[in-house]
Amino acid sequence: SQQGEEDPQALSIQEGENATMNCSYKTSINNLQWYRQNSGRGLVHLILIRSNEREKHSGRLRVTLDTSKKSSSLLITASRAADTASYFCATGTYKYIFGTGTRLKVLA
Amino acid sequence: DAGITQSPRHKVTETGTPVTLRCHQTENHRYMYWYRQDPGHGLRLIHYSYGVKDTDKGEVSDGYSVSRSKTEDFLLTLESATSSQTSVYFCAISDPKGEGYEQFFGPGTRLTVL
Repeated sequence: SQQGEEDPQALSIQEGENATMNCSYKTSINNLQWYRQNSGRGLVHLILIRSNEREKHSGRLRVTLDTSKKSSSLLITASRAADTASYFCATGTYKYIFGTGTRLKVLA
Repeated sequence: DAGITQSPRHKVTETGTPVTLRCHQTENHRYMYWYRQDPGHGLRLIHYSYGVKDTDKGEVSDGYSVSRSKTEDFLLTLESATSSQTSVYFCAISDPKGEGYEQFFGPGTRLTVL
């Protein structure tokens, strides 16, 4: 079973709009990470948020973490066509568990 | 890709044949991982290594074995390939010390078992 479950599974938006995707997990965590995967490529790390943090920003990315609800969200502001990719959350310290991903399509 | 290479990048093989995939890193990271990625399942951990000759099982380890005789190389072996092992395999590395727990991924190996 997957520790992380992303929602929605797929998302299609217009360039310039914001994209929000959510991740739920089942057990207690030390940190939660978000990764991006462009079609046919390996995953690329985007951002890590620790369990004692509630919000973190990196450029156009904003991540929130609610440990009471065991959920996290990734917000991409002012999206671009180049943001088209799949996005995964992952939990773990040495042994990582990834969610099933959200496929984001940004239309020009 | 952070000094990680995978070989081969593509392989087609027949059911019952042994297959070995290689992951090579130049980052001297302690941890190395093998994942498989299938539609609808995301990435699932097969095995990982936390040092030379130190390995542990992941979520989907049945039918797979690994070896790490050098820091830079992590091999994944399918002793007798089955069609259910058709997948894209990713190697990853990490060095969880201090603030850093992120993983760096290789480009992937697409394996087809006929």
